[in-house]
Amino acid sequence: DAGVIQSPRHEVTEMGQEVTLRCKPISGHNSLFWYRQTMMRGLELLIYFNNNVPIDDSGMPEDRFSAKMPNASFSTLKIQPSEPRDSAVYFCASNLGTATEAFFGQGTRLTVV
Amino acid sequence: GESVGLHLPTLSVQEGDNSIINCAYSNSASDYFIWYKQESGKGPQFIIDIRSNMDKRQGQRVTVLLNKTVKHLSLQIAATQPGDSAVYFCAAAHPNTGNQFYFGTGTSLTVIP
Repeated sequence: DAGVIQSPRHEVTEMGQEVTLRCKPISGHNSLFWYRQTMMRGLELLIYFNNNVPIDDSGMPEDRFSAKMPNASFSTLKIQPSEPRDSAVYFCASNLGTATEAFFGQGTRLTVV
Repeated sequence: GESVGLHLPTLSVQEGDNSIINCAYSNSASDYFIWYKQESGKGPQFIIDIRSNMDKRQGQRVTVLLNKTVKHLSLQIAATQPGDSAVYFCAAAHPNTGNQFYFGTGTSLTVIP
């Protein structure tokens, strides 16, 4: 298995633009997580899905952030409009249910200028 | 919720020595713990996990110890090698929050040749 696949690896965009990050979880996994990593705040859970349904989005910073999981093999995290403070590395992870290890993708490094 | 913290943000060890990285968690209901290793530019990688019905678990060159009384876990790396240089995170999950993992802030391990 290729693992969790994220795209793009790097994204540079101007403030105010829409940004879409993509994730393909490991086949057969039924939970998917979006994390944001910064030096100041470490790894923060933004949202997680179970069987394609959002279970907890309390970590989503504000209405500018939205996430979807239209099917078991694809998820998106969208920021609209983007702001410089959104600059971070965004990770997607997946696992096979409660109390099992989560596998992480390589991350998308987002820079908003 | 859960608060997870590592005791030292940085740790330097001589090659060949043993390393110990410590982590504390706040929620006594947490029942599953994972140690991750993150190398520069990569996503966190699973090292070892432990469930709350165990006090100790060993892998290849790594041992995780769990002390539920004081809500503390540690990662021991035997005969530390330059390739072990990375940031190490502990993560905790508990049944009240379903499948969510709460991450500590990470300890940066530097191995001195």
